[in-house]
Amino acid sequence: KQEVTQIPAALSVPEGENLVLNCSFTDSAIYNLQWFRQDPGKGLTSLLLIQSSQREQTSGRLNASLDKSSGRSTLYIAASQPGDSATYLCAVISNYQLIWGAGTKLIIKP
Amino acid sequence: EPEVTQTPSHQVTQMGQEVILRCVPISNHLYFYWYRQILGQKVEFLVSFYNNEISEKSEIFDDQFSVERPDGSNFTLKIRSTKLEDSAMYFCASMRDTGELFFGEGSRLTVL
Repeated sequence: KQEVTQIPAALSVPEGENLVLNCSFTDSAIYNLQWFRQDPGKGLTSLLLIQSSQREQTSGRLNASLDKSSGRSTLYIAASQPGDSATYLCAVISNYQLIWGAGTKLIIKP
Repeated sequence: EPEVTQTPSHQVTQMGQEVILRCVPISNHLYFYWYRQILGQKVEFLVSFYNNEISEKSEIFDDQFSVERPDGSNFTLKIRSTKLEDSAMYFCASMRDTGELFFGEGSRLTVL
């Protein structure tokens, strides 16, 4: 049974720092991995999708990597800003189903 | 850019009442989903829908829940007799052919 774990559960860093959020999964037979952002009381915004054949995807200051063999993905945020404060969720897609991590709550201090 | 839309954004209902949450998925997507998130907790899968029928459902999705796609565009989640513990944010999502999911903004259900 696929399990997705995100570490750390919470992270607080000063503005301007580069940071890495981690996501690990137990079964490497995945179709895709998707990173989402959720602001308090709001919906889920797709940030990056990495297909199983890809190693990384980039969008602006965000870079997501995927290492299927080790069951890991990272989300790298460059030059963090207070507006990046949110909960970041990773989800593994297998058989058209998403298995969610519990998320990392990120706070960027001005 | 096409997006998933959900209505209502917030609904308050009395325990035991029926609730219908509506979603308009992105038109050329084929898989549709309902998820829920109880305040402060993890996102939970409810049901997936493909080719006008349920493809998978979780243990949460009991006989009180049903889904329909009555007119080829709207995708509805019905809760027949709401309970206090049904209070949550309900998210609709649709999946494109790449496997990427797109979520609506959610419908907040408060059961009193």
